[in-house]
Amino acid sequence: GNSVTQMEGPVTLSEEAFLTINCTYTATGYPSLFWYVQYPGEGLQLLLKATKADDKGSNKGFEATYRKETTSFHLEKGSVQVSDSAVYFCALSVGSGGGADGLTFGKGTHLIIQP
Amino acid sequence: GAGVSQSPSNKVTEKGKDVELRCDPISGHTALYWYRQSLGQGLEFLIYFQGNSAPDKSGLPSDRFSAERTGGSVSTLTIQRTQQEDSAVYLCASSLTSGNSYEQYFGPGTRLTVT
Repeated sequence: GNSVTQMEGPVTLSEEAFLTINCTYTATGYPSLFWYVQYPGEGLQLLLKATKADDKGSNKGFEATYRKETTSFHLEKGSVQVSDSAVYFCALSVGSGGGADGLTFGKGTHLIIQP
Repeated sequence: GAGVSQSPSNKVTEKGKDVELRCDPISGHTALYWYRQSLGQGLEFLIYFQGNSAPDKSGLPSDRFSAERTGGSVSTLTIQRTQQEDSAVYLCASSLTSGNSYEQYFGPGTRLTVT
């Protein structure tokens, strides 16, 4: 079956530090890959996505590159801010249209940025 | 425009009672998804609808769970004879259509507590 593995944390960093959250996956077919973010008291929202190998998704200073050879989609940001404190979820979808369109999520990584 | 809405936002019920959770997707979105978020299991995909049809119900945790969608819009998730392990946040999402590259927009969730 499909699965996503990511570091669970909490990950605690100082403001302006470099961030990497690792994500690896197992999937049948050719999945699309996503990072979702859940800010305190808010709902899940899409941060970025990549739909094919070597694509780079980016948004709000965050980046992730779809690496088929290592089945990875690591999230990076060069300089984090306190406002980036949230739970980050790596996810995939294989979307065959035959009922497999649901997202498979990792367990989530709780990120805490200290001023 | 309006996002995905869910009701109620919180529901406390006694073990053995039936509950009905409602989801209003974004207008014009033909695909609708239900997920469950719990401490032990993380985020689990339950079921998805394309229009009024749910091609695959195998993600529902047990036969006490059922879901329907009428008029290609509102969906209800029904849990019969609730058990304590059903306590979780139930999330609904919608997307323009099914397919793994389309962004899913999430609602705020219904927090279900079974006492």
